[in-house]
Amino acid sequence: AQSVTQLGSHVSVSEGALVLLRCNYSSSVPPYLFWYVQYPNQGLQLLLKYTSAATLVKGINGFEAEFKKSETSFHLTKPSAHMSDAAEYFCAVRGPGGGGNKLTFGTGTQLKVEL
Amino acid sequence: KAGVTQTPRYLIKTRGQQVTLSCSPISGHRSVSWYQQTPGQGLQFLFEYFSETQRNKGNFPGRFSGRQFSNSRSEMNVSTLELGDSALYLCASSDTGRGQSVNTQYFGPGTRLTVL
Repeated sequence: AQSVTQLGSHVSVSEGALVLLRCNYSSSVPPYLFWYVQYPNQGLQLLLKYTSAATLVKGINGFEAEFKKSETSFHLTKPSAHMSDAAEYFCAVRGPGGGGNKLTFGTGTQLKVEL
Repeated sequence: KAGVTQTPRYLIKTRGQQVTLSCSPISGHRSVSWYQQTPGQGLQFLFEYFSETQRNKGNFPGRFSGRQFSNSRSEMNVSTLELGDSALYLCASSDTGRGQSVNTQYFGPGTRLTVL
C-alpha cells in the first residue's frame, strides 16, 4: 500500500528564512506525489506534483520539491519564507492501485512564519 | 474556467438527521472525489465517481453514499448523522480517467458540517 509520512506537525521559520517541509513516501511502484496547501477555512490548493518527468519539480509561489528515490523523500522547499506562506501543507500520494484518482494524504505540517 | 463549487458552505444538523452535500466539478472534468477532513483523522478518502459510476471507495460505513449525474455533478449523502461526522467535506475534480496520465485533483472550498 502507498503512504506518505510528514515529519513535524508544526514548523516555525522567520520571514526570509529557508522553508523545508519533509515528506517520505512508501510505495511498491513508482509513485505520483503531490504537495497541497490549505489556508484557513479554504480547500486544498495544488502547489506541485511529481510525475516522474523530472526529479526537481517547481511549483507555484516559489516552492519546489525534489524527488529522491534513494531516500524515498519528496521534501518541499522555498528559499525565502513570506508571511503569506503561513498555512497547512499536505503531502499526498496517488493510489493505491486500481486506477482512479484516490489520494492518500500525510497528516499535514502547519507552517508558521514569524517576523 | 470556474473552479470546483460546493454547496452549502456551512451546515448544522442534529444527530439522527440526514444530509446531502453537492459538488459541481470544473467544466469538462468527469471524475469527482470526496474527502472528509477532521482534526483527529486528517484527510480521508470517501469515494470517487467517474462517468456516473463509483470506481473507488474508502473505509467508511454504509451511511455515507454518493452519486454522480450525467453532467458530472456529484452529491454525497450521510444518513443517521453522528457527532463524529462533524467535519469539513471536500470535493475534488480531475479531467482524465483511468489509466491515463496523472490526474491532477482540484479541490473545492469544502462544506463545513456540524452535527449537534
